[in-house]
Amino acid sequence: AQSVTQPDIHITVSEGASLELRCNYSYGATPYLFWYVQSPGQGLQLLLKYFSGDTLVQGIKGFEAEFKRSQSSFNLRKPSVHWSDAAEYFCAVGASGTYKYIFGTGTRLKVLA
Amino acid sequence: DGGITQSPKYLFRKEGQNVTLSCEQNLNHDAMYWYRQDPGQGLRLIYYSQIVNDFQKGDIAEGYSVSREKKESFPLTVTSAQKNPTAFYLCASSLGGSRGAETQYFGPGTRLLVL
Repeated sequence: AQSVTQPDIHITVSEGASLELRCNYSYGATPYLFWYVQSPGQGLQLLLKYFSGDTLVQGIKGFEAEFKRSQSSFNLRKPSVHWSDAAEYFCAVGASGTYKYIFGTGTRLKVLA
Repeated sequence: DGGITQSPKYLFRKEGQNVTLSCEQNLNHDAMYWYRQDPGQGLRLIYYSQIVNDFQKGDIAEGYSVSREKKESFPLTVTSAQKNPTAFYLCASSLGGSRGAETQYFGPGTRLLVL
């Protein structure tokens, strides 16, 4: 069965520090991969997506993610975190042939001043 | 500006009452979705619609109903059969036609609370 795992429920980093949020997926074919960000009480905003091609994907707000097929991972990174990055981050997989996304349970990021 | 609107922002339901959440999009998207979000559980799909006058159940459709009479609108009714309706409800849309390889765009959400 398809699944998405975000192993870290909470992460705390200092402002200016680097960030990596982990995402592992289980899917038999080539997945379509997404990262979304959600501020409290708000909808989800797309940060970046991977469909094919270059495995290092650039997104908005200085985020990037790398697709590693051998590790079934799609980790999100940012070299220097800003206080405004504090939010909840969701990884999702789109399954070929369906309209369904499978979402991870999210990682809540706290940024220390 | 193109986007997805959801109303109301907060909704209160009494026991035994049906309530309807509104979702409208002006992105000219064919596909629309309803998700339920509970703390620590991510997003779960309630219903989705690929085209007007057609919709399919998602993973947690029991106690919910939808209609898709217009391309722009996809209202969700939370019926009295849904025993635990307190949650944050998110509507989304996508272009349609490229299953799996589509970006879903989300509305701002409606928080439903039980009185």
